[in-house]
Amino acid sequence: SQQGEEDPQALSIQEGENATMNCSYKTSINNLQWYRQNSGRGLVHLILIRSNEREKHSGRLRVTLDTSKKSSSLLITASRAADTASYFCATVFQGAQKLVFGQGTRLTINP
Amino acid sequence: GAGVSQSPSNKVTEKGKDVELRCDPISGHTALYWYRQSLGQGLEFLIYFQGNSAPDKSGLPSDRFSAERTGGSVSTLTIQRTQQEDSAVYLCASSFQGAYQETQYFGPGTRLLVL
Repeated sequence: SQQGEEDPQALSIQEGENATMNCSYKTSINNLQWYRQNSGRGLVHLILIRSNEREKHSGRLRVTLDTSKKSSSLLITASRAADTASYFCATVFQGAQKLVFGQGTRLTINP
Repeated sequence: GAGVSQSPSNKVTEKGKDVELRCDPISGHTALYWYRQSLGQGLEFLIYFQGNSAPDKSGLPSDRFSAERTGGSVSTLTIQRTQQEDSAVYLCASSFQGAYQETQYFGPGTRLLVL
């Protein structure tokens, strides 16, 4: 499968702690995107990182990309209860015309 | 401006009936995508429309599934002779140009339950 695979499948932490989620893929990519989904509904785009980029920040979010290891990580700092959601990585593979989503990481922030 | 909208929010139907799901993309977005998400799973690509080009139907699971996009805007996903395994959340997304290099903006989804 060309799908990105998130790790862990589920993560539960205390409010205020940092949360790290990982995504691995198998073939060369054009870009990798992270999305958040609340309550099984529509997804919200968080960050897009291109294959020639190594790190991007957006507020409390930090995304890294290691193309040599074919992996990406999403770090959420100082987590809040509102961060409770499922997080998906999605990849655009070179030569492909699809955005392929992984299975997601279910993040729970405990108050 | 308004985001992507989908209707209905929820649909319950009986096995064997046909259903139509509607998606209104963001105005000005030329690309429109349909995905399916089964409970606790990731998104499964169904179909992709880009401007006036022939749609990419490679993700449609069977010939019971079809989709149209009229006037380059509103899209309808039709499932004929529904089966219980069609139960899922159907998500629509749009993007400005659809080069797969861009952000996709998702609607809230239609939750379909086939009894």
